[in-house]
Amino acid sequence: DQQVKQNSPSLSVQEGRISILNCDYTNSMFDYFLWYKKYPAEGPTFLISISSIKDKNEDGRFTVFLNKSAKHLSLHIVPSQPGDSAVYFCAASGAGANNLFFGTGTRLTVIP
Amino acid sequence: GAGVSQSPRYKVAKRGQDVALRCDPISGHVSLFWYQQALGQGPEFLTYFQNEAQLDKSGLPSDRFFAERPEGSVSTLKIQRTQQEDSAVYLCASSLDRVGNTGELFFGEGSRLTVL
Repeated sequence: DQQVKQNSPSLSVQEGRISILNCDYTNSMFDYFLWYKKYPAEGPTFLISISSIKDKNEDGRFTVFLNKSAKHLSLHIVPSQPGDSAVYFCAASGAGANNLFFGTGTRLTVIP
Repeated sequence: GAGVSQSPRYKVAKRGQDVALRCDPISGHVSLFWYQQALGQGPEFLTYFQNEAQLDKSGLPSDRFFAERPEGSVSTLKIQRTQQEDSAVYLCASSLDRVGNTGELFFGEGSRLTVL
């Protein structure tokens, strides 16, 4: 039973444009959400996070939006760069949880 | 090194063999996690240590899987009598504190296990 879902396995965007990656979750107890980025043959690396008390968190070109009522979050990358090409995983955690629940990932390709 | 180190990077085992995967977390990190990532899937939780104590092993898929962290630093994930369905990348991650507090895990590069 997948508690965190990324329904788009892949996304292609032109360099300089906005990339929007989406994530849905089912567990209303989740209160902390993260995005990880993964290059081939490397482990995932933390990108940005958001607590459920916020609806937006911004870090440079990366912004995460949280819509709790819809149980939906999204990652916006603007402007997109070729170096952003990677697999992006959405993850969620509940209060005091011992682990993260990951989505299946979205492969982003930024075309020069 | 500064990051999480895992070995071996690649392991090929014949069905029925036992394997041991090692994780060396970031120095001083209290929490250590093992995740299993099958092809085309996201990482799935296996087990969690806080120092040397294994506080959660709810994700271990069978009693063939065993993990330890005897001195609160290096951890070993052991898989006995490997099966083809065990083929996956095994990721180790560490964090300064519990996931619920900091949220950020530092992952190693993973150990890719292929069972023939």
